[in-house]
Amino acid sequence: DAGVIQSPRHEVTEMGQEVTLRCKPISGHDYLFWYRQTMMRGLELLIYFNNNVPIDDSGMPEDRFSAKMPNASFSTLKIQPSEPRDSAVYFCASSFGGLGIQYFGAGTRLSVL
Amino acid sequence: LAKTTQPISMDSYEGQEVNITCSHNNIATNDYITWYQQFPSQGPRFIIQGYKTKVTNEVASLFIPADRKSSTLSLPRVSLSDTAVYYCLVGAHTDKLIFGTGTRLQVFP
Repeated sequence: DAGVIQSPRHEVTEMGQEVTLRCKPISGHDYLFWYRQTMMRGLELLIYFNNNVPIDDSGMPEDRFSAKMPNASFSTLKIQPSEPRDSAVYFCASSFGGLGIQYFGAGTRLSVL
Repeated sequence: LAKTTQPISMDSYEGQEVNITCSHNNIATNDYITWYQQFPSQGPRFIIQGYKTKVTNEVASLFIPADRKSSTLSLPRVSLSDTAVYYCLVGAHTDKLIFGTGTRLQVFP
């Protein structure tokens, strides 16, 4: 398997623009997670899905953030409108049968100018 | 969720054994102990997981005393490529994982 695939790897946008981050989990995995990592706050869990259903979105910072998982092989994290403080590396991870061992993608480095 | 405490940073030299200890005093009965490794510009990577006593794989060993209030990740004969941040996480398989600040390991030649 190719592992968790995220796109794009880098995104530079201007404040106020919509940003969409994409993730393809490992085939057969039933959990998908979105994290955000910054120097100040470390690695934070934003939301996670089980069998395409959002289970816990308590980490989503505000209404500007939304995540969807239309099917088992694809998820998006959208920020609208984006702000400079959203600049971070966003990771997607997937796991099978629980939350014990997660496999992370390479991340998307987002810069909002 | 059990809170974990681990050193912020550690230094070592190539060829040495490195032991990183994690404290988790309020670990629950159903909790497992999991370690991840993160290199710069990459996502965290699973290293090892255990519940009690000792677990060993091709990368590391994990030592867990009987009271399970702490655990030690042991990296044998580290190399420069082991320079990374190491995270200790504690939780049940039904819990969401909380990553702390981790331990930044620097290996020198």
